[in-house]
Amino acid sequence: DTGVSQNPRHKITKRGQNVTFRCDPISEHNRLYWYRQTLGQGPEFLTYFQNEAQLEKSRLLSDRFSAERPKGSFSTLEIQRTEQGDSAMYLCASRRTELGNEQFFGPGTRLTVL
Amino acid sequence: GDSVTQMEGPVTLSEEAFLTINCTYTATGYPSLFWYVQYPGEGLQLLLKATKADDKGSNKGFEATYRKETTSFHLEKGSVQVSDSAVYFCALKALAGNQFYFGTGTSLTVIP
Repeated sequence: DTGVSQNPRHKITKRGQNVTFRCDPISEHNRLYWYRQTLGQGPEFLTYFQNEAQLEKSRLLSDRFSAERPKGSFSTLEIQRTEQGDSAMYLCASRRTELGNEQFFGPGTRLTVL
Repeated sequence: GDSVTQMEGPVTLSEEAFLTINCTYTATGYPSLFWYVQYPGEGLQLLLKATKADDKGSNKGFEATYRKETTSFHLEKGSVQVSDSAVYFCALKALAGNQFYFGTGTSLTVIP
């Protein structure tokens, strides 16, 4: 399967714990996006990378959130000291600039903070 | 700032009924416009797109026309099927910048 993959698919954690999610984009896609989606809402942009460079971050992304894409391939999103308000679906998407604006989404990681 | 407003759901239709899901946008210049679909238990998939005024995107019997004068990109299908039951998201990408903005989604249920 050459689609975008995300791991884990589900994560349950206690408030105050740190969590890390992984996204593997489609090979050769130079742009990678992270979104957060809560129930009844559309995806909200968090941050995006062009290759290994993080070029934009949303104001939604507090200091507890950090994302990396160290080799321009897979990416990780870490949330430190989780809060109940962090419970959401975290989506990853990738695209290749030369192929236009179509993003390809992964299945998401559902985070539940107890 | 840039934003998308789409019709609230849920929408319930009988099979073979006509579907319209309204979407309007706010953006400077000429954004690219998209409809994404999310089937139960799956990730978002691009349904169709339009990149300039008066373009019509189409796929799987769905259509949407980029209307600059009304800043709209309404989704239509002439005859829905049970398999069209899903959540539909309208989205835009501004001409400048790389962020995508999504609407809140409209849930569609088609009953036999």
